[in-house]
Amino acid sequence: GENVEQHPSTLSVQEGDSAVIKCTYSDSASNYFPWYKQELGKGPQLIIDIRSNVGEKKDQRIAVTLNKTAKHFSLHITETQPEDSAVYFCAGDSNYQLIWGAGTKLIIKP
Amino acid sequence: DGGITQSPKYLFRKEGQNVTLSCEQNLNHDAMYWYRQDPGQGLRLIYYSQIVNDFQKGDIAEGYSVSREKKESFPLTVTSAQKNPTAFYLCASSPNRADGANVLTFGAGSRLTVL
Repeated sequence: GENVEQHPSTLSVQEGDSAVIKCTYSDSASNYFPWYKQELGKGPQLIIDIRSNVGEKKDQRIAVTLNKTAKHFSLHITETQPEDSAVYFCAGDSNYQLIWGAGTKLIIKP
Repeated sequence: DGGITQSPKYLFRKEGQNVTLSCEQNLNHDAMYWYRQDPGQGLRLIYYSQIVNDFQKGDIAEGYSVSREKKESFPLTVTSAQKNPTAFYLCASSPNRADGANVLTFGAGSRLTVL
């Protein structure tokens, strides 16, 4: 079955700098890779996703890249702002379910 | 507004007691899910239901039970058989997509503490 590993577990960046979170997956049959953001006391919310037939996808300050050969995908946040502080989860699909990474706590330093 | 409502937000229980967490959605989604979240871990699937009157066990179903009598409701019962029930519980729903690209909408969660 699918296994998703996420790094780092905590990431601290200066406001305005970029942040990169990386995930690897094991199931070569996985085709869908979403990223969710969870703010304190709330449920996770989808921020961006990518399908296996696409190498990169952007949405304003957020981008996701996928390397199917290496089985890894990354979330890139540019020009970080205080409201980007949250826990971010990656996931990969397997048998119509999502397998989740352990999460990355992103801290934006003023 | 469409969304998912979980209740209660906080719940305290004594050991040996069963407790039921409510989850209601008005998004007309076919699929509903229950996840457990512990510090430093990803979301672990407890149960899911793709259609009314049908549900399947997830990775950590032992000590939990669910029902899906209505499309909009998917309550989770944490039984006394669950050895370590203190956790944050998240309910989610999604349309059923044949390609597996299911976008999940989550509720705000229920925090259960066993005293």
